[in-house]
Amino acid sequence: DADVTQTPRNRITKTGKRIMLECSQTKGHDRMYWYRQDPGLGLRLIYYSFDVKDINKGEISDGYSVSRQAQAKFSLSLESAIPNQTALYFCATRDSGRSGTQYFGPGTRLLVL
Amino acid sequence: AQSVTQPDIHITVSEGASLELRCNYSYGATPYLFWYVQSPGQGLQLLLKYFSGDTLVQGIKGFEAEFKRSQSSFNLRKPSVHWSDAAEYFCAVGAPEYGNKLVFGAGTILRVKS
Repeated sequence: DADVTQTPRNRITKTGKRIMLECSQTKGHDRMYWYRQDPGLGLRLIYYSFDVKDINKGEISDGYSVSRQAQAKFSLSLESAIPNQTALYFCATRDSGRSGTQYFGPGTRLLVL
Repeated sequence: AQSVTQPDIHITVSEGASLELRCNYSYGATPYLFWYVQSPGQGLQLLLKYFSGDTLVQGIKGFEAEFKRSQSSFNLRKPSVHWSDAAEYFCAVGAPEYGNKLVFGAGTILRVKS
């Protein structure tokens, strides 16, 4: 089984709808991240969490919210989806070592019409 | 602020030929550097990483990368490319802010011709 899983893998929604993307991990890592990927821009950080009670905004958090339900679960919500939120979304976990290697899920491809 | 530049958006090489993907970074201290690969429709897979020590690091799938502090570079190399190496490659540097986020380059798309 994959260490980091994301659901759904693909989603089409309409402008103004609320949508939740879910991430689960079995690596036992405390730190979890949400990134979005846009063509030609690489990945940009939306939110990150050090543990259940520690959630922080990243570079591009406007229009997004998150919930850390447990150490292993970190969800990303779009409260009112808009077309420029169409992107590929990745969840990642990070080990606690100084090196900071991050492990990524398979991604969720979101299309907002 | 940290930044990563991958100068080549697309690269095409023949199967069996050697490969070098360029990566330049901007970072004040000793960086943590990574190369990830993304195959079509897939997530990001870690190829290799540099933290300290030997500046030539070996990764999976026959890839290696060399850290050159004087040039602020961390180029990825492979001596003989296989058709299955066609993918998008991302260089990243670990940044201390935002929870030790990764700062990614824009990516290089590798095409392999037979």
